[in-house]
Amino acid sequence: DAMVIQNPRYQVTQFGKPVTLSCSQTLNHNVMYWYQQKSSQAPKLLFHYYDKDFNNEADTPDNFQSRRPNTSFCFLDIRSPGLGDAAMYLCATSSQDGNTEAFFGQGTRLTVV
Amino acid sequence: DAKTTQPPSMDCAEGRAANLPCNHSTISGNEYVYWYRQIHSQGPQYIIHGLKNNETNEMASLIITEDRKSSTLILPHATLRDTAVYYCIVSRSGTYKYIFGTGTRLKVLA
Repeated sequence: DAMVIQNPRYQVTQFGKPVTLSCSQTLNHNVMYWYQQKSSQAPKLLFHYYDKDFNNEADTPDNFQSRRPNTSFCFLDIRSPGLGDAAMYLCATSSQDGNTEAFFGQGTRLTVV
Repeated sequence: DAKTTQPPSMDCAEGRAANLPCNHSTISGNEYVYWYRQIHSQGPQYIIHGLKNNETNEMASLIITEDRKSSTLILPHATLRDTAVYYCIVSRSGTYKYIFGTGTRLKVLA
């Protein structure tokens, strides 16, 4: 059974039009992450939540925002997508125990036209 | 967080052991070594992790050197389905950050 679910798997958006990507989890984990992965590159951490505590990476552009309304759901908002934001966006979760692995969803592939 | 260095690519014959090295010479005492792999167009999949001792599970073995400056992931009998990019990550307990390096692209050959 899928434990970290990302919808949709593929998303096409217009240049400059706000878009929201969704992630839900059935693991009841405290920590949720968003990563960006461009073609042939490693995943890059954008930010993470510990419960409702938001932690932004220093080099994450302001164009990227996130919301976590409850434990199970987390959203990635891209306010004005540019062509350079086309990528796979990966959601992950981990428990509050520091010695534990992260569980990843299958990703949403975003195309900007 | 400590940085990791991995060879960009490796080949392995099907049925043979695949040994993937990772250098993490700046690792500190409370940092764990994690291994993930990513098959094309899928999310990363956890393989194994460890702190000091060698670890083994149903997927792989993790050998960490005594000084903890490097480690090796061993897939004992590689199959074609093990073809993927393998990432070695060092993460400090309690920071909740998994920073990916460039990874090793493993190709298992028939």
